[in-house]
Amino acid sequence: EPEVTQTPSHQVTQMGQEVILRCVPISNHLYFYWYRQILGQKVEFLVSFYNNEISEKSEIFDDQFSVERPDGSNFTLKIRSTKLEDSAMYFCASSEDRGTDTQYFGPGTRLTVL
Amino acid sequence: GQQVMQIPQYQHVQEGEDFTTYCNSSTTLSNIQWYKQRPGGHPVFLIQLVKSGEVKKQKRLTFQFGEAKKNSSLHITATQTTDVGTYFCAVAGNTGKLIFGQGTTLQVKP
Repeated sequence: EPEVTQTPSHQVTQMGQEVILRCVPISNHLYFYWYRQILGQKVEFLVSFYNNEISEKSEIFDDQFSVERPDGSNFTLKIRSTKLEDSAMYFCASSEDRGTDTQYFGPGTRLTVL
Repeated sequence: GQQVMQIPQYQHVQEGEDFTTYCNSSTTLSNIQWYKQRPGGHPVFLIQLVKSGEVKKQKRLTFQFGEAKKNSSLHITATQTTDVGTYFCAVAGNTGKLIFGQGTTLQVKP
């Protein structure tokens, strides 16, 4: 069964450093998303992406965040200058269609900012 | 923005007992989705409800959408240890943005 993959599984970085989290969505999916989950809390929407453009972003997704689809398979989330409060699990998801279509989540990248 | 409130936050049950989690909104919802997240895992889609009063079943799981489309519930009959995890309700927006509830963490004692 096709699945979303994410690398790395765990990233440790120093405050102020840039990180890039990588995702490979399911191959025939056109809609891509990033979510984050601070330990023990709910899953929070960051950004949705379609046709090489951001469709919607949340208040969390400020100027320090960016997303890119550099080739036909990868979908990346970049945090330019990490803060302690960026420590969280970051999930990538993809769907075939938008709106209420089923989203498939990847296993997540645990980001630890020291 | 739209919010969904979920209760209870935690539930400990003996294996074989039933379990219910509730999701509530102050506004009418166009849809409600339910996800399960195993400890250390990622959210996994369970089901979507869109119609007023809709009831769907998946084996021991029963999902309901309220008549006013402002609340939803997930009921598990005769829990098993494999049911352990956090259950989230979520609402999907037009762009696919999912707004999640706070989740209910289920612990099952064997």
